[in-house]
Amino acid sequence: DTAVSQTPKYLVTQMGNDKSIKCEQNLGHDTMYWYKQDSKKFLKIMFSYNNKELIINETVPNRFSPKSPDKAHLNLHINSLELGDSAVYFCASSPRAGLAGYEQFFGPGTRLTVL
Amino acid sequence: SQKIEQNSEALNIQEGKTATLTCNYTNYSPAYLQWYRQDPGRGPVFLLLIRENEKEKRKERLKVTFDTTLKQSLFHITASQPADSATYLCASVDPKIIFGKGTRLHILP
Repeated sequence: DTAVSQTPKYLVTQMGNDKSIKCEQNLGHDTMYWYKQDSKKFLKIMFSYNNKELIINETVPNRFSPKSPDKAHLNLHINSLELGDSAVYFCASSPRAGLAGYEQFFGPGTRLTVL
Repeated sequence: SQKIEQNSEALNIQEGKTATLTCNYTNYSPAYLQWYRQDPGRGPVFLLLIRENEKEKRKERLKVTFDTTLKQSLFHITASQPADSATYLCASVDPKIIFGKGTRLHILP
């Protein structure tokens, strides 16, 4: 009965590899997000989708590509991984687009370590 | 640039006292501010939201204020308990999604 789930929880990989992180929410929300939390604990928005449509795309290298096959799923694919990509990646969802007035529900995070 | 600043140093409070955390924003005027709690190794959990036209919001032992003149929100936990120990994040959501770095709160028994 997990609200927002992510897989995998831990990901250790070599520089230059390509990897994906998956996210699913069973809350019936329209909007999903990807965040990156670095070693300094800053939580930064990367992308947001509303009903499978990209609505927020912050300054993120184009090695990162989100994909939303339906409104319950938002995956993150990362090409040519670099050391600086090491961080915890959080998926979140909210009832509708525009966070104003709507709380976000966060997943447990995926800790990515690039060696 | 638009920023949210929180006192990133740890805050130690004796059990039973009121803990007060500060969130300051610069170079913009958020219409809403949200507060989240984050425990180690877990995702943030929503606590409270306050609108710019609301001076104060309460939920059980939690209270949030929003002062648009000072460009500041205060987050209070009354009758604090060791279980309240966590990192507390302030976030603005309109027009941009910006999170503060959080304040680590330790409630000492």
